[in-house]
Amino acid sequence: GENVEQHPSTLSVQEGDSAVIKCTYSDSASNYFPWYKQELGKRPQLIIDIRSNVGEKKDQRIAVTLNKTAKHFSLHITETQPEDSAVYFCGRGSARQLTFGSGTQLTVLP
Amino acid sequence: DTGVSQNPRHKITKRGQNVTFRCDPISEHNRLYWYRQTLGQGPEFLTYFQNEAQLEKSRLLSDRFSAERPKGSFSTLEIQRTEQGDSAMYLCASSLGTSGTHTGELFFGEGSRLTVL
Repeated sequence: GENVEQHPSTLSVQEGDSAVIKCTYSDSASNYFPWYKQELGKRPQLIIDIRSNVGEKKDQRIAVTLNKTAKHFSLHITETQPEDSAVYFCGRGSARQLTFGSGTQLTVLP
Repeated sequence: DTGVSQNPRHKITKRGQNVTFRCDPISEHNRLYWYRQTLGQGPEFLTYFQNEAQLEKSRLLSDRFSAERPKGSFSTLEIQRTEQGDSAMYLCASSLGTSGTHTGELFFGEGSRLTVL
């Protein structure tokens, strides 16, 4: 009930292409869905989040979509750049807890 | 630096010993979280404090683990009788918690890496 499944675990794209990472969850009480980026040896940092009453949110090259009925949400990165290379974690949360997926290692090839 | 700070950054201990980690959250943040992260995995939720009250604790958390936040500011995480499987990065995070419905943005510390020999 509390887990969130994240796919793929690794993703390689050519610079300039788009990258899409998907997560699914089962707990209907989840109302908050953030995405964190973690560069090697560094702390996770929030890049974008979405609340359950919104279907899509965009911030420059990054967008997140949420399908509450199907219980899945996705991160879209357009025009990828080498500095986008990192591990990305999706999260699902409520008032007291935020549970993370297992992560996606994104590599942007020059 | 007004971010979340953790210490020690690295701890090497022998199996069976007790270890304690400290977390100093961002000063105005009322919510504090502990996570554990192993290589290639996402952060695993351990426990959550709102001010000094521990309001959530993972069902997976062994009774060898205990956390406190006595004055609603800094927090400590103690692991008793450490085992090799406890080796991991222990991350602390804090948030302002302006919403009653979700955690809001978590600000993570750099973590305390534990190695149990």
